[in-house]
Amino acid sequence: QVQLVESGGGLVKPGGSLRLSCAASGFTFSDYYMSWIRQAPGKGLEWLAYISSSSTYTNYAQSVKGRFTISRDNANNSLDLQINSLRAEDTAVYYCARNREGFSPSDAFDIWGQGAMVTVSS
Amino acid sequence: DIQMTQSPSSLSSSVGDTVTITCRASQTISTYLNWYQQKPGKAPKLLIYATSTLESGVPSRFSGSGSGKDFTLTISNLQPEDLATYYCQQSYSAPLFTFGQGTKVEIK
Repeated sequence: QVQLVESGGGLVKPGGSLRLSCAASGFTFSDYYMSWIRQAPGKGLEWLAYISSSSTYTNYAQSVKGRFTISRDNANNSLDLQINSLRAEDTAVYYCARNREGFSPSDAFDIWGQGAMVTVSS
Repeated sequence: DIQMTQSPSSLSSSVGDTVTITCRASQTISTYLNWYQQKPGKAPKLLIYATSTLESGVPSRFSGSGSGKDFTLTISNLQPEDLATYYCQQSYSAPLFTFGQGTKVEIK
């Protein structure tokens, strides 16, 4: 079945770095744009980053630009998010999601992973 | 950035009731508005895209309407399994996306 599975979450000290991964299965990964979205404890959803199907285009929320880097490996059906200079306010569940219609205003996030918890604390 | 504002932030209704959630954009977004359902402890799930198109497998008691700045998610014949938080999200400014703050639906 169509599935996204995140990994790499955990407890990190402020100022540290972390790399999240998302393994895709059940669909042709290389056909789809992908995104990362996070949710702080008890809070709403925040879109973070977006990558085109062939990695030629990326885009970031202003709040994370310069600290977060999205990348993908189509040969291995995987999506990554590198997070640097972690802050307490980065504590959240991080979801990878599939964009149903990339680079279009008709886009939506049609498949979501189960999420990976990142806790930033000393 | 386009801001999305949902109301109410929470509501409580009985099984069988009709529930309405509204979402307002800070500027016109045509019909580029999506709705998600997030059950407690779970990942969000796409319910409706492009204002009114139901995602495959979504029960027909869910419906969406609107255009421009104002949008509505309606749940008819509310069921116990509809206990969840519902989020609107605009894709007009793709690839920059914003979500509403969420509406928590509780069952009396």
